[in-house]
Amino acid sequence: EPEVTQTPSHQVTQMGQEVILRCVPISNHLYFYWYRQILGQKVEFLVSFYNNEISEKSEIFDDQFSVERPDGSNFTLKIRSTKLEDSAMYFCASGNRDGFNQPQHFGDGTRLSIL
Amino acid sequence: AQKITQTQPGMFVQEKEAVTLDCTYDTSDQSYGLFWYKQPSSGEMIFLIYQGSYDEQNATEGRYSLNFQKARKSANLVISASQLGDSAMYFCAMREGVWGNQFYFGTGTSLTVIP
Repeated sequence: EPEVTQTPSHQVTQMGQEVILRCVPISNHLYFYWYRQILGQKVEFLVSFYNNEISEKSEIFDDQFSVERPDGSNFTLKIRSTKLEDSAMYFCASGNRDGFNQPQHFGDGTRLSIL
Repeated sequence: AQKITQTQPGMFVQEKEAVTLDCTYDTSDQSYGLFWYKQPSSGEMIFLIYQGSYDEQNATEGRYSLNFQKARKSANLVISASQLGDSAMYFCAMREGVWGNQFYFGTGTSLTVIP
C-alpha cells in the first residue's frame, strides 16, 4: 500500500539553526499538509498546500515557517531560527481530494529536538 | 470552545473484550467528517475509520465501529475483541465545511489492553 514517507525520523539541531523536514507524499495525491505534536499534547494543524500554494495556515505557522514543493515528489517544511519550543513531532500528510469526507494519510513523523 | 473533546485520558480493557472510546465534537457546519486515528508508541498516525455528517448508518471497519449520535454530537469508537496490539493512543479528529482543509484533533485516549 502506498505511504507517506518522512525524513529524517529524528533531527537534533542547535537553537537558532535552520532545519528542513522532508516528505514524499503518496504519488497521486494533490493536497499536502503539515502538523505538529508537542510531546504529550494533541496534534495541531500548521499548513495545507495545493496547486503550489498555501491554501490555509494556522496561527502557529508564522514567518519562521515556510513550505515548498521543490519538485514533483517532495514537500518540505523549513523552520528558520529554531527555538526550544519548536521541539515536537512533525507530521506530513497527503490526500487525493479535499473535502470534509476525505481522510488524510500521515507519514511516520520527524521528531525534532532543539538543543 | 474545543472542536473535539476526548474526556478519557487513559483506558484499560481486558484482551478479547470490547471497549468504547468517547469523542464529542463542536461545529456549526452541516457538512463535516469525523475520523479516528491510532498512534502506537512508535509514533505513526494510522487512519482507522471515518463517519460523515450525512451518513445515516454507523461506520464499521473490521473490529472498529463508530457509534455516531448526531443530536448529541458524539462519535465514539468501539473496538471489539481487543488485542494486545490495540494498545496505543487513539485520536478523534474532525474536518468541517464542504472544503474543510485542516483536521482538528482531540487530546487523545491512551488504551492499554491487558492480557
